Amino acid sequence: AQSVSQHNHHVILSEAASLELGCNYSYGGTVNLFWYVQYPGQHLQLLLKYFSGDPLVKGIKGFEAEFIKSKFSFNLRKPSVQWSDTAEYFCAVTSASGGYQKVTFGTGTKLQVIP
Amino acid sequence: EAQVTQNPRYLITVTGKKLTVTCSQNMNHEYMSWYRQDPGLGLRQIYYSMNVEVTDKGDVPEGYKVSRKEKRNFPLILESPSPNQTSLYFCASRESPAGELFFGEGSRLTVL
Repeated sequence: AQSVSQHNHHVILSEAASLELGCNYSYGGTVNLFWYVQYPGQHLQLLLKYFSGDPLVKGIKGFEAEFIKSKFSFNLRKPSVQWSDTAEYFCAVTSASGGYQKVTFGTGTKLQVIP
Repeated sequence: EAQVTQNPRYLITVTGKKLTVTCSQNMNHEYMSWYRQDPGLGLRQIYYSMNVEVTDKGDVPEGYKVSRKEKRNFPLILESPSPNQTSLYFCASRESPAGELFFGEGSRLTVL
């Protein structure tokens, strides 16, 4: 069964600091990977996704993520965070074995950016 | 405007009183799903549907039912709600099996 681990549960950064949020998944076959963001009181929105090709993917608002197949990782990065990045971030995976029907989410990382 | 609409957004009910949370999407997506979000547990898939009349269980289906009689609608039914179903529920749709999810605004349910 596929699973996703986000080891950082709560991260506090000052504005302009760099961000890296970890995401590891368990499935070894073909996967599609996603990062979603949930701003306070809102629903989840897509930040970026990886299906195939260049393992470094760029998303909205200056976020990027790198797919490292050998490490089963898909870490999210941003060079310089802003106060408006305060939100909860979720990594998610779908896999070919399940026909991509099932979407498994990590437990989320709450990011707090201090002005 | 492309959207997923859930109702009600907030509901307080009592144990055992049947309720339905509606979900409707206007993007002609074939794939729809329900999730519950609980602190420290992230989002967990309850049920999903690949098309009209085709549904399947997710990770936490106990205590829930769904139906997909029309492509645009995917209601979540709690036949006999219990306090452990107090949660924030999200409906989502996507165009293809591997595509991104489009979420509704969420329905916060409290069962007393």
